[in-house]
Amino acid sequence: KNQVEQSPQSLIILEGKNCTLQCNYTVSPFSNLRWYKQDTGRGPVSLTIMTFSENTKSNGRYTATLDADTKQSSLHITASQLSDSASYICVVSGGDTGTASKLTFGTGTRLQVTL
Amino acid sequence: NAGVTQTPKFQVLKTGQSMTLQCAQDMNHEYMSWYRQDPGMGLRLIHYSVGAGITDQGEVPNGYNVSRSTTEDFPLRLLSAAPSQTSVYFCASSKDGFSGNTIYFGEGSWLTVV
Repeated sequence: KNQVEQSPQSLIILEGKNCTLQCNYTVSPFSNLRWYKQDTGRGPVSLTIMTFSENTKSNGRYTATLDADTKQSSLHITASQLSDSASYICVVSGGDTGTASKLTFGTGTRLQVTL
Repeated sequence: NAGVTQTPKFQVLKTGQSMTLQCAQDMNHEYMSWYRQDPGMGLRLIHYSVGAGITDQGEVPNGYNVSRSTTEDFPLRLLSAAPSQTSVYFCASSKDGFSGNTIYFGEGSWLTVV
């Protein structure tokens, strides 16, 4: 069964500090891995998309890494800001249904940045 | 650029009532989909469409119906609401349904069935 597991479930950090969120997956075959940011009461917004051949991808203070051999990804947030408080969702695309890619969503890591 | 627009934002239904969640996108995307998000679970696919006139079932389609008469619109119908359908619903679109394309989500529709 395709699964995406994220850790930790929740995290509290001080403003200005760095943090790293983890994503482990068992999706096969693998096409790409995405990270989304979801503010409370809003829809998910795309941060990065990485294919099999990409190890690292950055979007401002967000840097995602991918190790396709160990089926692990991480999202590193540098110099956190209060606006980074959100849930971060890892999504893995694997195979297709014939007409579209099949996406498996993680349950997310809830990050709270405090003063 | 409005992106993906969902209405209503909030809705309370009585068990057995029917309703339609509206979704529209202005990006000329072929692929549109509906997800539900429940506490402690990842988003789950309800139905999707790869173009006007084409729809298909996702992971949790029971109790829901969709149609795609135009490229822009993809309404989700609850036929006879049940408390188990209390959830947050997200409409999403992308250029096509395949890998590598950014998926854009709407802001969500909070549905409570009592």
